[in-house]
Amino acid sequence: EAQVTQNPRYLITVTGKKLTVTCSQNMNHEYMSWYRQDPGLGLRQIYYSMNVEVTDKGDVPEGYKVSRKEKRNFPLILESPSPNQTSLYFCASSFPGAATDTQYFGPGTRLTVL
Amino acid sequence: SQQGEEDPQALSIQEGENATMNCSYKTSINNLQWYRQNSGRGLVHLILIRSNEREKHSGRLRVTLDTSKKSSSLLITASRAADTASYFCATDAGNQFYFGTGTSLTVIP
Repeated sequence: EAQVTQNPRYLITVTGKKLTVTCSQNMNHEYMSWYRQDPGLGLRQIYYSMNVEVTDKGDVPEGYKVSRKEKRNFPLILESPSPNQTSLYFCASSFPGAATDTQYFGPGTRLTVL
Repeated sequence: SQQGEEDPQALSIQEGENATMNCSYKTSINNLQWYRQNSGRGLVHLILIRSNEREKHSGRLRVTLDTSKKSSSLLITASRAADTASYFCATDAGNQFYFGTGTSLTVIP
């Protein structure tokens, strides 16, 4: 089954404790992206990747890191989480070579930073 | 920010009625897409309209695009209770995506 998976689905952590949210897709998509969703603000793009070893900042990259060492995986790293990073996070991927085409979304990761 | 906005923020209709929601954006685009989200779950793609298209249909969905006004509308005809969800428009600028703030649609059985 074609899908985007994220882990964990729920995470409660404390300020400053490094964490990684994994994202994996099995559709051979080149384009992958991370978003955060906050009430009243919609979805905002954090980082995106056009292909392996190619990553770029989105609208709200501060406090986040990403890596793209393999085509299928695109982890989101919070080196020192803060309470303002409490949010619902989504990973998404798009068809090969079509950055502006349909995006397939993962189920989301709800993060709470205390 | 280049984020778009949907209007209205919330919409409540009776089953069988049509639902119309609008999206405005700020910059030139390649495509505009509409997505649906059920209560905190992942977004699901509904329809894509390219910048050189003015109208597109898919089942009960009809999308229009007016690039001169930088706006789009999504019409859902003969709504069903299962259409209850939040709807987002998304535009692209280069390789980045910008989502609107969403319209929350409630369809009352």
